[in-house]
Amino acid sequence: DGGITQSPKYLFRKEGQNVTLSCEQNLNHDAMYWYRQDPGQGLRLIYYSQIVNDFQKGDIAEGYSVSREKKESFPLTVTSAQKNPTAFYLCASSRGGTQPQHFGDGTRLSIL
Amino acid sequence: DAKTTQPNSMESNEEEPVHLPCNHSTISGTDYIHWYRQLPSQGPEYVIHGLTSNVNNRMASLAIAEDRKSSTLILHRATLRDAAVYYCMQCGGTGANSKLTFGKGITLSVRP
Repeated sequence: DGGITQSPKYLFRKEGQNVTLSCEQNLNHDAMYWYRQDPGQGLRLIYYSQIVNDFQKGDIAEGYSVSREKKESFPLTVTSAQKNPTAFYLCASSRGGTQPQHFGDGTRLSIL
Repeated sequence: DAKTTQPNSMESNEEEPVHLPCNHSTISGTDYIHWYRQLPSQGPEYVIHGLTSNVNNRMASLAIAEDRKSSTLILHRATLRDAAVYYCMQCGGTGANSKLTFGKGITLSVRP
């Protein structure tokens, strides 16, 4: 079945370490997105990519980095510069920028 | 900045219609309106989307105001499985000019 896979489901990080969250899709979608979700805050856009080898900053990109070397993959790195990384991270994809988005089941990141 | 606002919560009785509102105070003429719903510890699920005209699908109906400054998601007969957080979102533009904003979500409770 086609879909989006995020891994791992739970991730723990020590302070000062970078950590990479995986997002893979087999829907042949051009666009991919990363969101951060905090309690009571809805979804906030971190980065998005509308085509391979191109990506744009969202509303809260500071302390994060991404790459889009393959259509299927859009990994997110949470760097040590992100001072409050504990959150639920969601990846999504769509056929285009205004088309419906399909979401993964998320990765919950916690700081040890 | 785009503003997408929703009430925090609503209650409904089972098998009655539910109207979930969203305000899009800064929507532009080419921005689409999307609705998603989310269960605890899961990624959001697409419900419906539209541009100007009202839309119907098997899950719900979307009513868009004539000035597009507001939209209403209509669940025709609420069931217990419809209890979730419902997010409206507006999106538009292309490439570096893309913009995408989610509301903070309405928590829908359904009484048996």
